[in-house]
Amino acid sequence: RKEVEQDPGPFNVPEGATVAFNCTYSNSASQSFFWYRQDCRKEPKLLMSVYSSGNEDGRFTAQLNRASQYISLLIRDSKLSDSATYLCVVNPNYGGATNKLIFGTGTLLAVQP
Amino acid sequence: DAGITQSPRHKVTETGTPVTLRCHQTENHRYMYWYRQDPGHGLRLIHYSYGVKDTDKGEVSDGYSVSRSKTEDFLLTLESATSSQTSVYFCAISSGGRGWVYFGPGTRLTVT
Repeated sequence: RKEVEQDPGPFNVPEGATVAFNCTYSNSASQSFFWYRQDCRKEPKLLMSVYSSGNEDGRFTAQLNRASQYISLLIRDSKLSDSATYLCVVNPNYGGATNKLIFGTGTLLAVQP
Repeated sequence: DAGITQSPRHKVTETGTPVTLRCHQTENHRYMYWYRQDPGHGLRLIHYSYGVKDTDKGEVSDGYSVSRSKTEDFLLTLESATSSQTSVYFCAISSGGRGWVYFGPGTRLTVT
């Protein structure tokens, strides 16, 4: 079983739609969680951290469910510019401070005009 | 954007030749990482460094070595390149703790 699992998609949605991605992780001791965005042939870029209380940044909302070991990302009012691959990322080593991140394989989002 | 550069950005080499990829940062971050990205596997950690001359292996370290003689530079060496090392290589940096991890622009390596 992979340490971090995501539905690879693609998710094809029209502009203005709301779309949600889920991700599950296997290490229950994992401490910190992130969503990264990666455009085609570019480097991954941090989108947002994920906290148990949930956090929101504009049209993006991230949520962590520790009991079920899953992380979610909700995108409201999708824009064409949201088209990208979204990577679910887990840091099992917080406290050790080395930030050896574990990446999911990514979910591809294609927003259609 | 975080100050991370990678060189070269593209390289084609032949099987059996040595290859060195360079990562340079201007952020003075303690931690540096080398990842490779392949279809179906996502990003996988090759080696990382937690200080000058301090390095450790990651998930897929076989066939790779690293060196860090200065805070700002982290080198990845393929001693004898193989076709299975054809990949996109990303360098990353972090200040540690809850510090976020930032990636360089990547190096596309093709081993023929």
